[in-house]
Amino acid sequence: AQSVTQPDIHITVSEGASLELRCNYSYGATPYLFWYVQSPGQGLQLLLKYFSGDTLVQGIKGFEAEFKRSQSSFNLRKPSVHWSDAAEYFCAVGAFPGAQKLVFGQGTRLTINP
Amino acid sequence: DVKVTQSSRYLVKRTGEKVFLECVQDMDHENMFWYRQDPGLGLRLIYFSYDVKMKEKGDIPEGYSVSREKKERFSLILESASTNQTSMYLCASSPPSGPGSTDTQYFGPGTRLTVL
Repeated sequence: AQSVTQPDIHITVSEGASLELRCNYSYGATPYLFWYVQSPGQGLQLLLKYFSGDTLVQGIKGFEAEFKRSQSSFNLRKPSVHWSDAAEYFCAVGAFPGAQKLVFGQGTRLTINP
Repeated sequence: DVKVTQSSRYLVKRTGEKVFLECVQDMDHENMFWYRQDPGLGLRLIYFSYDVKMKEKGDIPEGYSVSREKKERFSLILESASTNQTSMYLCASSPPSGPGSTDTQYFGPGTRLTVL
């Protein structure tokens, strides 16, 4: 069965600083990988996803993520954060060939210092 | 734009009450899902449905049931609410897998349920 670990429960960065959120997954075959963001009081919004091909994936709001099969990781990055990026971020893995059943990580809460 | 709506943003119920949480999607998606979200645990799948009148248990189905009589509507039912069911409940929908599918789940805003 697949599983996802987000090692950082809470991260604080200064506005304008770079950001990396970690995600490690466990799955024996080709994974489908997702990053979602949840702003306070809102549902989840898809930031980006990886199915196959180029291991560096571009998403919305200036985010990108890199799939590293050797490390079983799918870390989310942003070169310069904005105060509006403060939110909770969830990594999820789905089973090939479909992603109907997603397994989510515990989430990482991001706080932005002015 | 895909829209997933949930009937209530906040709900307060008493122990033992029967509770209905409603979810409606407007994109003709085959798949619909119910999750609960708790701090430190992320999202956990309760039930999902891949077609009208079809359902499958997720990871934590105990104490819950679901109903899908129409394609656009997926209901979560707490037969006898208990305090440990106090949580945020999120509904999602997605198109079926297959060539050209995005396999993306679209989420509603959530219902925060408090059971007293």
